Amino acid sequence: QKEVEQNSGPLSVPEGAIASLNCTYSDRGSQSFFWYRQYSGKSPELIMSIYSNGDKEDGRFTAQLNKASQYVSLLIRDSQPSDSATYLCAVNNDMRFGAGTRLTVKP
Amino acid sequence: GAVVSQHPSWVICKSGTSVKIECRSLDFQATTMFWYRQFPKQSLMLMATSNEGSKATYEQGVEKDKFLINHASLTLSTLTVTSAHPEDSSFYICSARDSTLDTPLHFGNGTRLTVT
Repeated sequence: QKEVEQNSGPLSVPEGAIASLNCTYSDRGSQSFFWYRQYSGKSPELIMSIYSNGDKEDGRFTAQLNKASQYVSLLIRDSQPSDSATYLCAVNNDMRFGAGTRLTVKP
Repeated sequence: GAVVSQHPSWVICKSGTSVKIECRSLDFQATTMFWYRQFPKQSLMLMATSNEGSKATYEQGVEKDKFLINHASLTLSTLTVTSAHPEDSSFYICSARDSTLDTPLHFGNGTRLTVT
């Protein structure tokens, strides 16, 4: 079993909808969780960090962490075409990445 | 916030020549930096971990004699692609974490290498 798994996508949502991206992890002792966004042809950028159970909101983005169930989610409200990108989940000191989830927001 | 600067942003070189890419942490010290390569529509692939003052650790399948990494200071790591060939054309990205564990990675803007 991979240590970190994301819903592989691709995910397509209409503009204005909520996009939900999910990530599960196997190490129950994990403490830190990160979401990165990578636009095509660009390098990744950090969009959210979360360390405690519950929700963390930043603008249209909400990260949700459930350590008991070992998942972390990223919700994007009022999705915009500019949110179309690949989203990468990382846990603890991960420096390796999977394919991520490719999100397309259709106008 | 922590900033990682990567230079050049793009480079075109002739087959057989060498190209050096620099990665600098501008406002923090990085004992460890990471180098990635990404081909179009593919995942970000870790090539090597650059360790300040010691040898880099290369991922399986990455030729250490072809991709030379030097991490001579706490703020600078360089990747040299030696004897470049067209198949080395790719997007190279570096990242670093500040010295605190469990903090996010900060990425450079990447270097697009084209070997003709």
